[in-house]
Amino acid sequence: GQNIDQPTEMTATEGAIVQINCTYQTSGFNGLFWYQQHAGEAPTFLSYNVLDGLEEKGRFSSFLSRSKGYSYLLLKELQMKDSASYLCAVRDSNYQLIWGAGTKLIIKP
Amino acid sequence: DAGVIQSPRHEVTEMGQEVTLRCKPISGHNSLFWYRQTMMRGLELLIYFNNNVPIDDSGMPEDRFSAKMPNASFSTLKIQPSEPRDSAVYFCASTPAGSSSGANVLTFGAGSRLTVL
Repeated sequence: GQNIDQPTEMTATEGAIVQINCTYQTSGFNGLFWYQQHAGEAPTFLSYNVLDGLEEKGRFSSFLSRSKGYSYLLLKELQMKDSASYLCAVRDSNYQLIWGAGTKLIIKP
Repeated sequence: DAGVIQSPRHEVTEMGQEVTLRCKPISGHNSLFWYRQTMMRGLELLIYFNNNVPIDDSGMPEDRFSAKMPNASFSTLKIQPSEPRDSAVYFCASTPAGSSSGANVLTFGAGSRLTVL
């Protein structure tokens, strides 16, 4: 079966750095996405990785290792507004998105 | 761009009643997706359309659920009869192309929160 694993919840301090991991086992691979979802709102796109390596976008970076079936989302200089759920999703060989359950990130002052 | 527009934002109904959720995708987007999100099951794909044609409805829970896309700018998700276990947030999302050239990012609507009593 297809599976995406990410931690259920993480806590970090304002101004610090946090890394949210995602491991996947899917039927094929055609890209990995990270979405941010604030409570009561829709998911919004953060990043896309299809090749191994690090993609940087401001305070957020996303890393991919296809051989290990592993990705992480790195958030730097955490702000209170970064409190949200972070969803990892993998596009499989049929170009369908397989979603993780999400990681709820709690930022403390 | 107004984004993906869903209505109603909130719906409270009684078991057995018919529920119709509506979605207007982003103009020019060829693919439309209906998702359901609950705390227990996370985000689940119900059905998606390419160029108004249903491609995969294997995620539709049962015959009580149906979806239509009569034209490129409108889709409905209907539940009849509704049951308490259907309570969830229903998201509509659209993408620019039917295949997955490049990132082909999903843009979600704000969601319709359904409560069935």
